[in-house]
Amino acid sequence: NAGVTQTPKFQVLKTGQSMTLQCAQDMNHEYMSWYRQDPGMGLRLIHYSVGAGITDQGEVPNGYNVSRSTTEDFPLRLLSAAPSQTSVYFCASSYIWAGNTEAFFGQGTRLTVV
Amino acid sequence: GENVEQHPSTLSVQEGDSAVIKCTYSDSASNYFPWYKQELGKRPQLIIDIRSNVGEKKDQRIAVTLNKTAKHFSLHITETQPEDSAVYFCAASNRRGNKLVFGAGTILRVKS
Repeated sequence: NAGVTQTPKFQVLKTGQSMTLQCAQDMNHEYMSWYRQDPGMGLRLIHYSVGAGITDQGEVPNGYNVSRSTTEDFPLRLLSAAPSQTSVYFCASSYIWAGNTEAFFGQGTRLTVV
Repeated sequence: GENVEQHPSTLSVQEGDSAVIKCTYSDSASNYFPWYKQELGKRPQLIIDIRSNVGEKKDQRIAVTLNKTAKHFSLHITETQPEDSAVYFCAASNRRGNKLVFGAGTILRVKS
């Protein structure tokens, strides 16, 4: 049972480039989310989805897009990378809602924008 | 929206001592309060959680207490061991239960 799988683990981008961070889960979880982790700021919610075809914004959505075409996959797209997007990104999934069940995290993607 | 504050930002204890981390939240309708542990270079993992209809929950050396009136909750680790060294995050659900809001984290160092 793989759980939540993120790719890539590391990425270096140049300012202005675009890319997609992949996230897949095999637990049939309805709820999926993306967080970014910066020193001293904890985990901040970027976007989330409560099911296939349904997405919504979190605390820090600017500069990121998401889509949810299947239950399993929830990719995060950086439209035009900026140095401020240098961070560690975590994808997470939960059985139903974020508000009452355990969130399972992927192993993270360390992104550097130069 | 929900806001979660966590203190202290760093905590150093001697092996065998207790450690306490405190969090406050702003939304009185929040009803789910998990704690996550993140070891260096790894993913956050749930260690314990509590719901608003419970005041205290314990799991071996770890306990969490919740004071709904004061809107704060705390993590207690007894008999600390070097493997407890990690970053600990508290979190609270928002009013609708569709978001988890995390505190800024506490770096716990257990000195042997």
